[in-house]
Amino acid sequence: GQNIDQPTEMTATEGAIVQINCTYQTSGFNGLFWYQQHAGEAPTFLSYNVLDGLEEKGRFSSFLSRSKGYSYLLLKELQMKDSASYLCAVSENTGFQKLVFGTGTRLLVSP
Amino acid sequence: DVKVTQSSRYLVKRTGEKVFLECVQDMDHENMFWYRQDPGLGLRLIYFSYDVKMKEKGDIPEGYSVSREKKERFSLILESASTNQTSMYLCASSWAGSSYEQYFGPGTRLTVT
Repeated sequence: GQNIDQPTEMTATEGAIVQINCTYQTSGFNGLFWYQQHAGEAPTFLSYNVLDGLEEKGRFSSFLSRSKGYSYLLLKELQMKDSASYLCAVSENTGFQKLVFGTGTRLLVSP
Repeated sequence: DVKVTQSSRYLVKRTGEKVFLECVQDMDHENMFWYRQDPGLGLRLIYFSYDVKMKEKGDIPEGYSVSREKKERFSLILESASTNQTSMYLCASSWAGSSYEQYFGPGTRLTVT
């Protein structure tokens, strides 16, 4: 089974940098996803990590350490529109693409 | 653009009613998923399907069933709705393979009274 842990809520200021952590325990790991979900909307894909290291995509980067069961999402040059929930999801090694989601981190960006 | 649509944005049903939630995707994806999302519990997988007529139980299948007669359509059925099934229901689809992201529909807010 999976156990995924991420902070419930974070606050930050426009223009700043914020790091959202995710730790997981798994019996079979097949990659980690980050999704963004604005209030009342569907989650949308941000990043995927399966190997250790940092993946950069514009203002957003995601890091993975498989040995530590740890990932983070780094958001730079924060904008008001980045206020959303950020969901960490681990892909189980079942032969099918089965994701287990954390409860999400609600990020509030203030002016 | 990938599009995943769900039959209703809001639905109100009475306890004991049979409820059908429909999901359609237009990208020829092999995989389709049904989740429910509740405050403090996050997204939880109810059922998924990796091919037509194939289905697998997720983490919380009790009280639900599914049907996938065509590749583009995946239905979630509540045989006898109960108040604890009041929730946001999200459908998703993806290509086969563990590295592909899931595309989500807009969700159906179901209230059972």
